[in-house]
Amino acid sequence: DADVTQTPRNRITKTGKRIMLECSQTKGHDRMYWYRQDPGLGLRLIYYSFDVKDINKGEISDGYSVSRQAQAKFSLSLESAIPNQTALYFCATSDFSGGRDEQYFGPGTRLTVT
Amino acid sequence: DQQVKQNSPSLSVQEGRISILNCDYTNSMFDYFLWYKKYPAEGPTFLISISSIKDKNEDGRFTVFLNKSAKHLSLHIVPSQPGDSAVYFCAASKTGNQFYFGTGTSLTVIP
Repeated sequence: DADVTQTPRNRITKTGKRIMLECSQTKGHDRMYWYRQDPGLGLRLIYYSFDVKDINKGEISDGYSVSRQAQAKFSLSLESAIPNQTALYFCATSDFSGGRDEQYFGPGTRLTVT
Repeated sequence: DQQVKQNSPSLSVQEGRISILNCDYTNSMFDYFLWYKKYPAEGPTFLISISSIKDKNEDGRFTVFLNKSAKHLSLHIVPSQPGDSAVYFCAASKTGNQFYFGTGTSLTVIP
């Protein structure tokens, strides 16, 4: 079974709709992240959480919100989706121990806003 | 402003030859650098990392070189194999903090 799972894998929604993307991990990591990938722009950080009580904005948090329901679950919400939020979204986890901080990514959610 | 840059969007290499992927960064506080590999329809996977206390790290066919004075790192793949065809992202951070990713380089290894 995958260590980091994302649901849904694909979603098409209309402008103005609220949508939630979910991420679950079985790695036991404290740190979780949400990124979006756009052609030519690479991976950009939306929000991150270093533990259940910690939420931080990343480079591009406007229009997004997150919830860290448990150590294993980190959800990303688009309160009112707009077409330029069409992108590939990735969740990642990491365990900053021993000075190593490699992030492990989920398979991604392809979101299309029409 | 992009703190990590990969100026080559794509690279083609013959099988068996060396692939060299480059990455530049602007923030002198970065002290931890990584390379990720991404296949279509999958999430990025960790490939290799290097701390700023080193200038080279090897793992099998993959070697990362760090030139701190030039704020430049490179990934060498020797020999290149068709299965190495993927998008490669470099990333940088100040240890324990958020990562900044480059825009990616699409590597094609020609059989």
